[in-house]
Amino acid sequence: GQQLNQSPQSMFIQEGEDVSMNCTSSSIFNTWLWYKQDPGEGPVLLIALYKAGELTSNGRLTAQFGITRKDSFLNISASIPSDVGIYFCAGQLGTGNQFYFGTGTSLTVIP
Amino acid sequence: DAGITQSPRHKVTETGTPVTLRCHQTENHRYMYWYRQDPGHGLRLIHYSYGVKDTDKGEVSDGYSVSRSKTEDFLLTLESATSSQTSVYFCAIKPGLGGDGGETQYFGPGTRLLVL
Repeated sequence: GQQLNQSPQSMFIQEGEDVSMNCTSSSIFNTWLWYKQDPGEGPVLLIALYKAGELTSNGRLTAQFGITRKDSFLNISASIPSDVGIYFCAGQLGTGNQFYFGTGTSLTVIP
Repeated sequence: DAGITQSPRHKVTETGTPVTLRCHQTENHRYMYWYRQDPGHGLRLIHYSYGVKDTDKGEVSDGYSVSRSKTEDFLLTLESATSSQTSVYFCAIKPGLGGDGGETQYFGPGTRLLVL
């Protein structure tokens, strides 16, 4: 299957700091999705990206579809305790029916 | 809320026993998926369905079978459960193209399965 390399694997930050994480692939994707997962729950869709270079925001979250179409980035500004969780990227090849997932970035926010 | 429910939410079973997990959706989406989630592996696709009685294998399909006799239900069966199938199982749906022409995927709450 497709390998999505997500980094960093974990982050420990102070409340109020900004966060950056990224996802890279050896393949070209036509869609990038970013999810957040809280303990014991299913992943929740945060942002969807469909065009190379696209920059999309959802509140304090901003994600970008890389120009090469092989990467994507997620930024969280002014982190708060409820941002704690695991963030996953997912990519879709062409118009295929499958999405491929990164292994996640675990975020801890220290009050 | 994408209208996805999974049952049971938790299950403990013994090696060698059959197990069936159910995914139910309320919005008549054509595509439904089963994933398993394990530490260090992220979400891996087991099987997916693109319509009633239409299914295809994913990356980790060995030891699993699926059935979809109605649009709203997608069943995942472990014919003879093994300890390696201890995992958290997620169902997902893929709606049709959105207004921006793109596709997304929404997940259910998950089923935690422990095989002893």
